Amino acid sequence: EDQVTQSPEALRLQEGESSSLNCSYTVSGLRGLFWYRQDPGKGPEFLFTLYSAGEEKEKERLKATLTKKESFLHITAPKPEDSATYLCAVQAPSQKLVFGQGTRLTINP
Amino acid sequence: NAGVTQTPKFQVLKTGQSMTLQCAQDMNHNSMYWYRQDPGMGLRLIYYSASEGTTDKGEVPNGYNVSRLNKREFSLRLESAAPSQTSVYFCASSENNGPYEQYFGPGTRLTVT
Repeated sequence: EDQVTQSPEALRLQEGESSSLNCSYTVSGLRGLFWYRQDPGKGPEFLFTLYSAGEEKEKERLKATLTKKESFLHITAPKPEDSATYLCAVQAPSQKLVFGQGTRLTINP
Repeated sequence: NAGVTQTPKFQVLKTGQSMTLQCAQDMNHNSMYWYRQDPGMGLRLIYYSASEGTTDKGEVPNGYNVSRLNKREFSLRLESAAPSQTSVYFCASSENNGPYEQYFGPGTRLTVT
């Protein structure tokens, strides 16, 4: 069964304190791995797609990386506006997206 | 360019009542999806439509029906609402069904009493 596990469930950082969020997955034949950001009361907002191990994508203070078993979302020198829940999802040959439960990130000023 | 829109934003139903959640996208996407999001469960796929004229079950289809009205619109119907269907419902669309990013609407918060 395709599974996605995100850790930690919640993370509290000080402004400027860099860290990483983890997404571990088990899927036969990964078609793509997706990262989303979700603000309270809003729908998920697309951030990145990664297709193969070794691939990296960057956007402002965020950088996503992919290995054969997990993905990391690195956040460098975060600001309070980076506070949100970050969701990871994988797509298997079944074509359906399987989501993790998310990491709730809080950046204190 | 509004992206994905959903109506209503909030709804309260009594057990046994029916309702339809509406979704529309203006990105000319072929594929559309309905998810529900519950605390501790993550987003789960209810139904999807890979292209106009087709619909398929997702992970949690029981108690729901869908209609792909045209390329733009995809509705979700609850025929006889149950308290277990209390959730936040999201519609999403993507260029095609496959390793393409999905774009989500703002959600409908549904409470069934």
